[in-house]
Amino acid sequence: EVKLVESGGGLVQPGRSLKLSCAASGFNFNDYWMGWVRQAPGKGLEWIGEINKDSSTINYTPSLKDKFTISRDNAQNTLYLQMSKLGSEDTAIYYCARCVYTTDYYLFDYWGQGVMVTVSS
Amino acid sequence: DIQMTQSPSLLSASVGDRVTINCKASQNINKYLNWYQQKLGEAPKLLIYNTNNLQTGIPSRFSGSGSGTDYTLTISSLQPEDFGTYFCFQHNSWPLTFGSGTKLEIK
Repeated sequence: EVKLVESGGGLVQPGRSLKLSCAASGFNFNDYWMGWVRQAPGKGLEWIGEINKDSSTINYTPSLKDKFTISRDNAQNTLYLQMSKLGSEDTAIYYCARCVYTTDYYLFDYWGQGVMVTVSS
Repeated sequence: DIQMTQSPSLLSASVGDRVTINCKASQNINKYLNWYQQKLGEAPKLLIYNTNNLQTGIPSRFSGSGSGTDYTLTISSLQPEDFGTYFCFQHNSWPLTFGSGTKLEIK
């Protein structure tokens, strides 16, 4: 069974940093691109970015490129999201998702349950 | 960036109704359009990819169509479990973007 479990969320002060983790199991983590998506309270979904199988390609939405860093540890089957200079606008549920990416299609077929990040003093 | 505009933002329909949700891209996205359903408190679920391909396990009452900039998700006969919010998602070009969502309420 494919499972993605995010952790590391919580309350953080403005301007501080936070690192989220996503533990993957039930599939060969090395074989898949992975991505992060977030959702502010009561709002829509925002694609944050993605990372390829060997970390040689990482793409971000432009507005977050200088604040967020996506990485992965294939030996630990874990995806990470390092967030810095956090502001209230970063308050959201953060989801990791498995990405099936070929020349023909791109889809998030499995998602974690999400982890809440609240930025507030 | 490609903007994805969904309509309507809120839809109320009865069980058995045929329902359509629209998604318009700000430029041609070459059918690289997926649909996700999200229920309250849950992660999104993939319904359809590349405009009209049904994800494994999704009921056949869901279908998708479209081309160029205009895309549609259709539910042929609405079921009570279909309530939730539906998002389109373009993967034609980076940055990838979601639509603003359509909340589907069951009358």
